[in-house]
Amino acid sequence: RKEVEQDPGPFNVPEGATVAFNCTYSNSASQSFFWYRQDCRKEPKLLMSVYSSGNEDGRFTAQLNRASQYISLLIRDSKLSDSATYLCVFLASGGSYIPTFGRGTSLIVHP
Amino acid sequence: ETGVTQTPRHLVMGMTNKKSLKCEQHLGHNAMYWYKQSAKKPLELMFVYSLEERVENNSVPSRFSPECPNSSHLFLHLHTLQPEDSALYLCASSQGSGWGQFFGPGTRLTVL
Repeated sequence: RKEVEQDPGPFNVPEGATVAFNCTYSNSASQSFFWYRQDCRKEPKLLMSVYSSGNEDGRFTAQLNRASQYISLLIRDSKLSDSATYLCVFLASGGSYIPTFGRGTSLIVHP
Repeated sequence: ETGVTQTPRHLVMGMTNKKSLKCEQHLGHNAMYWYKQSAKKPLELMFVYSLEERVENNSVPSRFSPECPNSSHLFLHLHTLQPEDSALYLCASSQGSGWGQFFGPGTRLTVL
């Protein structure tokens, strides 16, 4: 099993749609979880951390399922500007500095 | 956004050249990172520094040499590179272990 698995997509959705991505991880010692977005030919930008209790930031909701070892990102009311690649990232416990990045899921929001 | 800056933004060099990439973070973070991102590949972690000490060297060829003179600055010295080293080189910083990272805009490197 790969360390991190993400569906590369692309997810092609109309404006206003709700879309969700999952990202599974194999290292059960993973303790810190994040979602990043990366626009074409730009740097990744931290979108949100993922807490055990889940968290929400506007139209974005992130959740963690430790039992099944995956995190999810839900985007409501998609905007054209949400078109990007979404990367999931994990950090193991024990003060690790070494993140594991997924390959990313491509989202295309069309008019 | 100027939290993490990188220079130069673009670099073209021959295989016999020596050049350096510079990264500066203005966020008061304690850890800094170098990544390589090639087309259609995931991010590859190259080096990690925490409080100016290298904590990770991810089997990177010796033609890449990092330097971290203080917690705000990070360099990547390049010499005798190969064409396959052409990629986007990203610098990032974080408050410490377990924290999310903030990336600079990257240096797009082309080796001829």
